[in-house]
Amino acid sequence: QVQLVQSGAEVKKPGASVKISCKASGYTFASHGFHWVRQAPGQRLESMGWINAGSGYTKYSQEFQGRVTITRDTSASTAYMELSSLRSEDTAVYYCARDLSWGSFDHWGQGTLVTVSS
Amino acid sequence: QSALTQPPSASGSAGQSVTISCTGTSSDVGGYNYVSWYQQHPGKAPKLMIYEVNQRPSGVPDRFSGSKSGNTASLTVSGLQAEDEADYYCSSYAGFNTVVFGGGTKLTVL
Repeated sequence: QVQLVQSGAEVKKPGASVKISCKASGYTFASHGFHWVRQAPGQRLESMGWINAGSGYTKYSQEFQGRVTITRDTSASTAYMELSSLRSEDTAVYYCARDLSWGSFDHWGQGTLVTVSS
Repeated sequence: QSALTQPPSASGSAGQSVTISCTGTSSDVGGYNYVSWYQQHPGKAPKLMIYEVNQRPSGVPDRFSGSKSGNTASLTVSGLQAEDEADYYCSSYAGFNTVVFGGGTKLTVL
């Protein structure tokens, strides 16, 4: 069965960077893209960006352009999301999600809580 | 991109039907038949309930249905059950591999 397993919770200081992994199993990794979505406490879902797992092509949401980098390692069936210049407002749960169709995600990771605090 | 507009709350009695709206623009909801709906229980990851406006993934009960008219999409939950109580988010493809989400609707089953 399809599974997306994310790395564990992180605590970071303002200005630091965080890199979260999302290991996929149960299907051919390169056949589906990944989105990264975040959710601040009590807030809505926000799209951060997307990667084509086969080609590595990326597209970032304007709000995160310049601070987010999404990569993948096909040999490890793992996608990564790195967010830099962290600030307190970046405290959120970060999810990876597998593309089913344009803009729909059929499998999600369990979420990774990132806390930004001095 | 601005968030899609959803009512913050909706409610219905067990067994009844409730419809949640999701309003966007011609650049997202109105421009593509790629509207999705997600159910999220507290502390859990979202679960895909509807994709491509009205398609149900395997395992989603047919009590859940979706539709779209112009720039507004809708999710209808029929025969409300206690386990349907959750937050519901709509999303739409917005071109160039970008996605926009709605603000979420808290569904209460009375």
